[in-house]
Amino acid sequence: GQNIDQPTEMTATEGAIVQINCTYQTSGFNGLFWYQQHAGEAPTFLSYNVLDGLEEKGRFSSFLSRSKGYSYLLLKELQMKDSASYLCAVLSGGSYIPTFGRGTSLIVHP
Amino acid sequence: EPEVTQTPSHQVTQMGQEVILRCVPISNHLYFYWYRQILGQKVEFLVSFYNNEISEKSEIFDDQFSVERPDGSNFTLKIRSTKLEDSAMYFCASSEELASSYEQYFGPGTRLTVT
Repeated sequence: GQNIDQPTEMTATEGAIVQINCTYQTSGFNGLFWYQQHAGEAPTFLSYNVLDGLEEKGRFSSFLSRSKGYSYLLLKELQMKDSASYLCAVLSGGSYIPTFGRGTSLIVHP
Repeated sequence: EPEVTQTPSHQVTQMGQEVILRCVPISNHLYFYWYRQILGQKVEFLVSFYNNEISEKSEIFDDQFSVERPDGSNFTLKIRSTKLEDSAMYFCASSEELASSYEQYFGPGTRLTVT
């Protein structure tokens, strides 16, 4: 089976930087996704990591360490609209279907 | 920008009734998926579909569920006899390829309420 852990909730201040962590235990790791989900809406793709290291895309960056079973999503210059749930999802065991974590609810306040 | 669409946005049904949730995937995508998300819980995979057949399904996708691509554009999820615990948000998604690096595009979802 798979186990994906993320903090349930985080709060941060507008303009600040926040790091959302995800740890996973799985066999046959194939890659890790981060999705953003606003309340009542569909998940939207943010990033995909399969190799170790940092992938930067504008204000958002995602990091992966396969040996540690660890990833983080880094959000810079936080805006109020970044308040959402951030979902870590893992591909493993030869499947191309991501298994989602419970998500981290990020609240950005002024 | 092309997008996945779903209808209806909200469906209320009585326990035991059949429901059909409809999706129109992005036109050049070949792989289609259904997920569900019970309120406050994580997104759960139901089924993937390619070349007019199911390619993968989860334990949730039992005999009460079926999928169909009745024409060149629609992709449907049928629940034959709904139960209270089927109440959830159902998301359709599509992707160009079934390769791990290919992004899945999600539709806006159908909120199913079983009473």
